[in-house]
Amino acid sequence: GQNIDQPTEMTATEGAIVQINCTYQTSGFNGLFWYQQHAGEAPTFLSYNVLDGLEEKGRFSSFLSRSKGYSYLLLKELQMKDSASYLCAVKDSNYQLIWGAGTKLIIKP
Amino acid sequence: GAVVSQHPSRVICKSGTSVKIECRSLDFQATTMFWYRQFPKQSLMLMATSNEGSKATYEQGVEKDKFLINHASLTLSTLTVTSAHPEDSSFYICSATRQAGGSYEQYFGPGTRLTVT
Repeated sequence: GQNIDQPTEMTATEGAIVQINCTYQTSGFNGLFWYQQHAGEAPTFLSYNVLDGLEEKGRFSSFLSRSKGYSYLLLKELQMKDSASYLCAVKDSNYQLIWGAGTKLIIKP
Repeated sequence: GAVVSQHPSRVICKSGTSVKIECRSLDFQATTMFWYRQFPKQSLMLMATSNEGSKATYEQGVEKDKFLINHASLTLSTLTVTSAHPEDSSFYICSATRQAGGSYEQYFGPGTRLTVT
């Protein structure tokens, strides 16, 4: 079956760095998305990786290794507003989205 | 874990026709369902919020007469794209919310690719 795994919850300190991992087993691969979702709001797009490597966007970076079925989202200089759920999603060979359950990130002062 | 399905997974229709997309929560009752539109490599745009037994709440800029939403039961919501045009071609995603204890968990469907020719 198709599956995406990411930690349920993580805690980090304001100003620090946190890495949220995502591993996937899917039938084919057509890209991996990271979304940020604050409670009660729609998900916000963070990144899209289709090739191996690291993509950096300001404080957020996303890494992909297709051979390992692995991605991570790196958040630097954490701010309190970064407290949210982070969703990993993969598009399979049929361009269907397979969603992870999300990682709840808690930022402490 | 909770599963949300969508049907069909992909559909091609001619301009001017209507298309219905179903969203089902398979193993839980969804108090609320959401419909999103995803643009290639881009954000999920929230189209509307659907509550069982009541009218959907549409986001600004979304035509409610064009995108008809029906939430007939706690496990099924449908989105009907009426008089579809090529610019309606997109990837439509639904999500369903399950109340678990004192919190709400949101689960996303696999999406439906609509192509209007």
